[in-house]
Amino acid sequence: DQQVKQNSPSLSVQEGRISILNCDYTNSMFDYFLWYKKYPAEGPTFLISISSIKDKNEDGRFTVFLNKSAKHLSLHIVPSQPGDSAVYFCAADTGNQFYFGTGTSLTVIP
Amino acid sequence: DAGVIQSPRHEVTEMGQEVTLRCKPISGHDYLFWYRQTMMRGLELLIYFNNNVPIDDSGMPEDRFSAKMPNASFSTLKIQPSEPRDSAVYFCASSSGGEQYFGPGTRLTVT
Repeated sequence: DQQVKQNSPSLSVQEGRISILNCDYTNSMFDYFLWYKKYPAEGPTFLISISSIKDKNEDGRFTVFLNKSAKHLSLHIVPSQPGDSAVYFCAADTGNQFYFGTGTSLTVIP
Repeated sequence: DAGVIQSPRHEVTEMGQEVTLRCKPISGHDYLFWYRQTMMRGLELLIYFNNNVPIDDSGMPEDRFSAKMPNASFSTLKIQPSEPRDSAVYFCASSSGGEQYFGPGTRLTVT
């Protein structure tokens, strides 16, 4: 039962353009959402989060949008840089349950 | 702080053998998580502890898997007996609530 879904396994974007990574969830009890970034042979690292009481959170080039009615969140990276090439995981949290998506591999082409 | 420490980084073992993965969380963190990463299912939560007590082990695949946290600075994940389908990268993470901090992972290969 995949409660957090990332339907795009991969995405390629030109350097300088916007990258949009998407995530859908099924559990309305999730109240905290996070994005993690993972490079090969390393553990995931926290990137940005959003509480369910907000619909947008911004940190530099990274913005996360939450649409609770659609049970959808997205991560925008602008402008995209080659160093952003990594696997991005969406995660959701009810406070005592934690779920990760299957990840989206982003390639930023110089 | 050195971050979350996992050992070994790589483990190759034969089917039927016992495998023990180790984790040292970040000092002061009261949550510890064990995950398994596979291509098909992404990051699966196996079990997590709060203040050394297992809270949710519903993700543990079967009785062959067990995890312990004898104190705040150490946890083990044991697979006995191991099977080829257990081959994956196993991550340990810790947190004090909110974002989790992951270790570098243990790549397990069962032949």
